[in-house]
Amino acid sequence: EPEVTQTPSHQVTQMGQEVILRCVPISNHLYFYWYRQILGQKVEFLVSFYNNEISEKSEIFDDQFSVERPDGSNFTLKIRSTKLEDSAMYFCASSRMGSRETQYFGPGTRLLVL
Amino acid sequence: RKEVEQDPGPFNVPEGATVAFNCTYSNSASQSFFWYRQDCRKEPKLLMSVYSSGNEDGRFTAQLNRASQYISLLIRDSKLSDSATYLCVVNNGNSGNTPLVFGKGTRLSVIA
Repeated sequence: EPEVTQTPSHQVTQMGQEVILRCVPISNHLYFYWYRQILGQKVEFLVSFYNNEISEKSEIFDDQFSVERPDGSNFTLKIRSTKLEDSAMYFCASSRMGSRETQYFGPGTRLLVL
Repeated sequence: RKEVEQDPGPFNVPEGATVAFNCTYSNSASQSFFWYRQDCRKEPKLLMSVYSSGNEDGRFTAQLNRASQYISLLIRDSKLSDSATYLCVVNNGNSGNTPLVFGKGTRLSVIA
């Protein structure tokens, strides 16, 4: 069964450093998403992406964040200058079509900012 | 007002018990409804979609009441492997790729 994959599984970084989180969505999916989950909190939407552009973003997704689909398979989330409060689990998701379709989640990247 | 509210947990039940989770959502325009399951430090995984007519998948039954903006999940004959956090999730969009809105989850522990 096809899966969303994410790398790295864990990332530790110093405050102010840039990090890039990588995702490979399911191959025939067209819609891509990033969510995050701070420890003990609910899963929160960051951004959705379709047809090589951002479709929607939350207020969490400020100028420090960017997304890119650099080739036909990868989908990346970049945090330019990490803050302590960026420490969270970051999940990539993809869906074949839009809203009514199931979103499949990757295993996540646990980011710790020191 | 929280968009998706769930029963506070945890629920601790013996094996074989029946357990019910409830959820309410605030956006009357919500279009799609789901229950996801999340194991500790893992990703959310779809358990089942929820339809207006109600739907069943083995030991799991989901119900939707649009008038009351209420969603439920019933688990019969609980197994140890059902221990997880159950997330009530709604999608407010009708087109495009609008995001999922998650509840905080209800934790279930099934005890031998």
